[in-house]
Amino acid sequence: AQSVAQPEDQVNVAEGNPLTVKCTYSVSGNPYLFWYVQYPNRGLQFLLKYITGDNLVKGSYGFEAEFNKSQTSFHLKKPSALVSDSALYFCAVREGGNTPLVFGKGTRLSVIA
Amino acid sequence: DTGVSQNPRHKITKRGQNVTFRCDPISEHNRLYWYRQTLGQGPEFLTYFQNEAQLEKSRLLSDRFSAERPKGSFSTLEIQRTEQGDSAMYLCASSPRQGPSTDTQYFGPGTRLTVL
Repeated sequence: AQSVAQPEDQVNVAEGNPLTVKCTYSVSGNPYLFWYVQYPNRGLQFLLKYITGDNLVKGSYGFEAEFNKSQTSFHLKKPSALVSDSALYFCAVREGGNTPLVFGKGTRLSVIA
Repeated sequence: DTGVSQNPRHKITKRGQNVTFRCDPISEHNRLYWYRQTLGQGPEFLTYFQNEAQLEKSRLLSDRFSAERPKGSFSTLEIQRTEQGDSAMYLCASSPRQGPSTDTQYFGPGTRLTVL
């Protein structure tokens, strides 16, 4: 069975500093990995994905993520955090095709001015 | 290109009542998914359609829940005899049949259900 772990419920970072939101996954086949962001009272917005190819993927709003197969991780990063990045971030995985996504519990990012 | 839309955005009902939610996917998206999200948790899969065919259902989808997509466009999710444990955000997502985004699910704003 597929699973995703986001080990941190909350991440606090000062504006302008780099940020990392951690995600590890478990699948039996090749993983399709995604990051979504959720603002209050809104649905999930797609940020980026890894399907195949370069381990470093770039997405919306300056975010990027690095796929590490040996560590089964897909951490979300941004070189310089903005206050407007404060939101709930979800990592998700599936085993290809158009199977449903399995989500982590989410990590709340707070960027402090 | 309008996004996924869901109606209503909020629904308050009394225990035992039936409720129905609607999802309109992005135009030309043939795949449609329903998820449920409770407070402090990530979304959990409920069911999935490809065109009008319901291809997969989660065991979370009890017999009080039913979903339809009669013409392969919009979908409805009905909950009969609601219980307080049904209180959650119900999210709909869609993905296209082809192209570079075929493996990406795009989510609507959700319907927040409160059962009193």
